[in-house]
Amino acid sequence: AQKVTQAQTEISVVEKEDVTLDCVYETRDTTYYLFWYKQPPSGELVFLIRRNSFDEQNEISGRYSWNFQKSTSSFNFTITASQVVDSAVYFCALSDRGSTLGRLYFGRGTQLTVWP
Amino acid sequence: NAGVTQTPKFQVLKTGQSMTLQCAQDMNHEYMSWYRQDPGMGLRLIHYSVGAGITDQGEVPNGYNVSRSTTEDFPLRLLSAAPSQTSVYFCASTLTQGAHGTDTQYFGPGTRLTVL
Repeated sequence: AQKVTQAQTEISVVEKEDVTLDCVYETRDTTYYLFWYKQPPSGELVFLIRRNSFDEQNEISGRYSWNFQKSTSSFNFTITASQVVDSAVYFCALSDRGSTLGRLYFGRGTQLTVWP
Repeated sequence: NAGVTQTPKFQVLKTGQSMTLQCAQDMNHEYMSWYRQDPGMGLRLIHYSVGAGITDQGEVPNGYNVSRSTTEDFPLRLLSAAPSQTSVYFCASTLTQGAHGTDTQYFGPGTRLTVL
């Protein structure tokens, strides 16, 4: 069965602090994709990153970085030097070949609040 | 290229009323889906379609109908609205990649539905 767990329901930090959002996934498939989406207060879902199971290289995009570790089934997301505009709900999601093609399994989300 | 569009953005219904949430995409994507988002629950799949004329149920299909007469449109129908259907509804589309998994899903802006 597929499952995505985001154990952190809410995180609060002060601007310029670094923050890591945790994501743990479960799947029996050896081929799968992991995603992160951002949902700002305006409500839309913004795609951040997609990573396939064959690529364990960490990725950095500006202040964002992702740490993918198959050994621990984790795909954690770090924001460096957080800003107020980073305040949002962040969702981790999984899609694999064993599930309905195209279906995303979402975690319950982590509400990040960055205080000035 | 408008991406994924949804109408209306907001809707209030009375119990028992019917309505259709509209979703359209102009990216020629094969796969389209509907999710609902409830507080603390993440996003859950309602129905999906892998192409024109083909639809199937997701995780929470009860109370909803869909059809896919064209590649571009994927409306979601509530035949007899219930308060339990109060939620935010997202439509998504993706260009599937077949054997290698799922391409990125792009989400519409969402429809906030309240059933009184």
